[in-house]
Amino acid sequence: DVKVTQSSRYLVKRTGEKVFLECVQDMDHENMFWYRQDPGLGLRLIYFSYDVKMKEKGDIPEGYSVSREKKERFSLILESASTNQTSMYLCASSLRAGRVNSPLHFGNGTRLTVT
Amino acid sequence: KQEVTQIPAALSVPEGENLVLNCSFTDSAIYNLQWFRQDPGKGLTSLLLIQSSQREQTSGRLNASLDKSSGRSTLYIAASQPGDSATYLCAVPNAGGTSYGKLTFGQGTILTVHP
Repeated sequence: DVKVTQSSRYLVKRTGEKVFLECVQDMDHENMFWYRQDPGLGLRLIYFSYDVKMKEKGDIPEGYSVSREKKERFSLILESASTNQTSMYLCASSLRAGRVNSPLHFGNGTRLTVT
Repeated sequence: KQEVTQIPAALSVPEGENLVLNCSFTDSAIYNLQWFRQDPGKGLTSLLLIQSSQREQTSGRLNASLDKSSGRSTLYIAASQPGDSATYLCAVPNAGGTSYGKLTFGQGTILTVHP
């Protein structure tokens, strides 16, 4: 089974802090994604990566950056955390771009609270 | 822009009932459609993926169908159990895109199965 692991389940940070959310997948997937999920807004794509060192902006990239130095690891960085970034963050991966039979697999999520 | 709608928003049924969850999408140019389950405070678990060339997929008590031309998918759950209680989401690739994983998600159906 595909395993997508997010380093923290719960995180509490202060406004202005630099925050790192880490995600690791163990199935040699090419694609990795960061979403945030908020009540009433559903799932929104922040960034995704289709290869090492490659990244593309999703729908809401403002205030975030990402890093993918190794294939299995995709990090989400909040350069200066703000209270409106309090949310559930979900990492996901899929096998390969362009494949019609390439399901998306999610980690368990990180609940981030910025105070 | 692809839009995904799920009906009903919430459903409460007694144990043992067969039930149907609905998903509709506005642009039929999709490569696949995926159904997920989400338990409270957790990530999403992939249930079924239907490729655009398929009409249905089955996994245990779950059966998902796809009608691309009408922009609709249904998730049928047979003999529901309290353990099926969760939020069910459907997702499709954005209109005109590849299966890079830039999915558009529905808002979900909250299912409660009571003993």
